[in-house]
Parts: sequence; C-alpha cells; structure tokens
Amino acid sequence: SQELEQSPQSLIVQEGKNLTINCTSSKTLYGLYWYKQKYGEGLIFLMMLQKGGEEKSHEKITAKLDEKKQQSSLHITASQPSHAGIYLCGAGSLQGAQKLVFGQGTRLTINP
Amino acid sequence: GAVVSQHPSWVICKSGTSVKIECRSLDFQATTMFWYRQFPKQSLMLMATSNEGSKATYEQGVEKDKFLINHASLTLSTLTVTSAHPEDSSFYICSARGSWNRAFFGQGTRLTVV
Repeated sequence: SQELEQSPQSLIVQEGKNLTINCTSSKTLYGLYWYKQKYGEGLIFLMMLQKGGEEKSHEKITAKLDEKKQQSSLHITASQPSHAGIYLCGAGSLQGAQKLVFGQGTRLTINP
Repeated sequence: GAVVSQHPSWVICKSGTSVKIECRSLDFQATTMFWYRQFPKQSLMLMATSNEGSKATYEQGVEKDKFLINHASLTLSTLTVTSAHPEDSSFYICSARGSWNRAFFGQGTRLTVV
C-alpha cells in the first residue's frame, strides 16, 4: 500500500527563517497534495502537484515534485507566526486512484 | 474552491448510543468520499472510501459494523458510529472528490463519548 513519510515530524524555527518539509513516497506519486491543519480543525488546501519536476508557489510557500515523482518538498521563505500548524502531504497511489492517504504530518512552530 | 460541509462540528454522547455524522458537498457532485479519523497529535487515518450508490471500502482494521457509512447521493455521505464507547472518541474528518483529481475537506467533527 502507498506510504508517505514526512520529515521532520516536528520543526521549530525562528520567525523570518526559511524552512523545508519533505514528503517521500514508497511508490510513484500520481497527484501529491499539501495541506495545512490546525489541530482540531479542517484541512486547508495549499497546493497540488502532478507532473514530475513541477513546482508551484503561493505567497511564501513553494512546493516541488521531483522528476521521479516519489518525493516532494514544501519550502517556506521568511516564516511568519501565521505559518504555524501541521503540514500534511497526501497522495493517491495510482493515477485517478480512489484512495487518498496522508503522511504523518509535520508540526511547525514559529518562535517570535 | 468547492465547499464540503460536515455536521455536527462537535458532539458528546453517552456510551452505548449511536452517533451520525453528515458530510455534504455543497456546490459539486462528490463521486467519492473519504472518512478519516485523527487522534491527538497524529495524522489522518483513512477509515473508508465510498462511492455513490455502492458499499464503502473499509481499510484494514476498521470495523464496518461499528462505523456504518452510507453514500446515498452525490452530495451526501454519512458516518454512523454505532454503540459508541469512550475509545471511539476522536476527531473525524470527511473528504469529497468530484470529477477532478482534488479532494475537499469538511471542517471535522469532534466526538466525545462519555
């Protein structure tokens, strides 16, 4: 079955610093999603990547999918307190797959 | 983006009773809906996948008689936790996917069984 491994599991950074979260799959990814969640709340969609080598940016957040489509990274530039939360990568295991599974999440804390 | 509404957002019930959680896609037809469970400080665990008009596919280890899923229409799926026990207390989130390859999430339901 599809497994997603996120690293690090927890991250504490100083406000203004850059950071990267990684998501590695045991199988080829067909659609990789990044979500943000504050615990006890719903998920906020950040980005979806589908093509190998694809890169997308929204405000200060950039996500990339590697050429082999088995790893994705989420990069935040000049972090702010509003970036704090849990970041989850999710993916289907086959193209057009029914299942959408998630990594274990990365808990991001921003220190002022 | 598309909207998925989950109701209730929180519920407290007595042990032994059943609780129904609704998940509605408000502005699109959801051909597939997913139900997840989330324990404190953990990720989302997929419980089951349901397609409109057919039986749900449960993940290994999830009791189908315990967690009844009904996806009777393209805009509504329900999760019923039957004979709830305190260990069923958790955060439950639904997700709906339409004709495009992106899933939209409900706000989640916090269930507390006392």
